[in-house]
Amino acid sequence: QVQLQESGPGLVKPSETLSLTCTASGGSISGFFWSWIRQAPGKGLEWVGYTHSNGRTKYNPSLGSRVTISLDTSKNQVSLKLTSVTAADTAVYYCARLGLPSGIYYHPDYWGQGTLVTVSS
Amino acid sequence: EIVMTQSPATLSVSPGERATLSCRSSQSISTNLAWYQQKPGQSPRLLIYDASTRASGFPARFSGSGSGTEFTLTISSLQSEDFAVYYCQQHNTWPRTFGQGTKVEIK
Repeated sequence: QVQLQESGPGLVKPSETLSLTCTASGGSISGFFWSWIRQAPGKGLEWVGYTHSNGRTKYNPSLGSRVTISLDTSKNQVSLKLTSVTAADTAVYYCARLGLPSGIYYHPDYWGQGTLVTVSS
Repeated sequence: EIVMTQSPATLSVSPGERATLSCRSSQSISTNLAWYQQKPGQSPRLLIYDASTRASGFPARFSGSGSGTEFTLTISSLQSEDFAVYYCQQHNTWPRTFGQGTKVEIK
C-alpha cells in the first residue's frame, strides 16, 4: 500500500519561495507520474502540475514560470517549488500519484493527506 | 482553459433518495471527464473517470454518464457515507480543470 506524506513550512512570506516535499513509502516513485494539486481554503481544486521520471513535465500555465516539480529517486521524494508567492498561493497542497491508466491519461490513485501553506508576512 | 460548471451548488437529499449532479464543460471534452468525492478534512478521491467508469472501491449505486459538454453523476440511493462534496474535472486538455463542486448534504 503506497503512502504519501507531504512536508514543508506551513507559513511562507510574500515574494519568497514555497518548498514542499512528498515522501512516498510502500512503493518506488520511479515509473509513475507524480502531481501536485492545491485547494485554497473553502475553495475548489486546482492542478499545479505533474512530472514523470522520464522527464515529461507539465505545469499549469496560470502559474507561469514560478513552479518546478522534481523527483529525487534516491530519497523516493517528489518536490514542489513555487517562487514569488502571494496570498493567492495560500492553499492545502496535495501530492498525488497518477497511477491509474486510462488510454493516454493517468488518474490519481494515491493521495497524501495534504499540507496547508499560508502566505503571510 | 476549459471552464467546468457544476449544478446545483448544494443538493439536500434524504438518505435512500436519488441524487443527480450535473456538470457542464465550456467546450466539448468527449468522455474525458472524472468525478471526485471529498469528505471534510480528507483528500479528494477519484470516483468516476472516462465519464462512466467507476473507480475501485466505489459501489454500483454511483454511476456517471454524458459526453461532449453535458455530464451527470447519479447516486441511486444515498447512504450516510455519501454525504460529501463532489467535483467534476475534465482531463481532455491541459490544464485539467475542476468544477466548483456540489455539496450533497442531509435533508
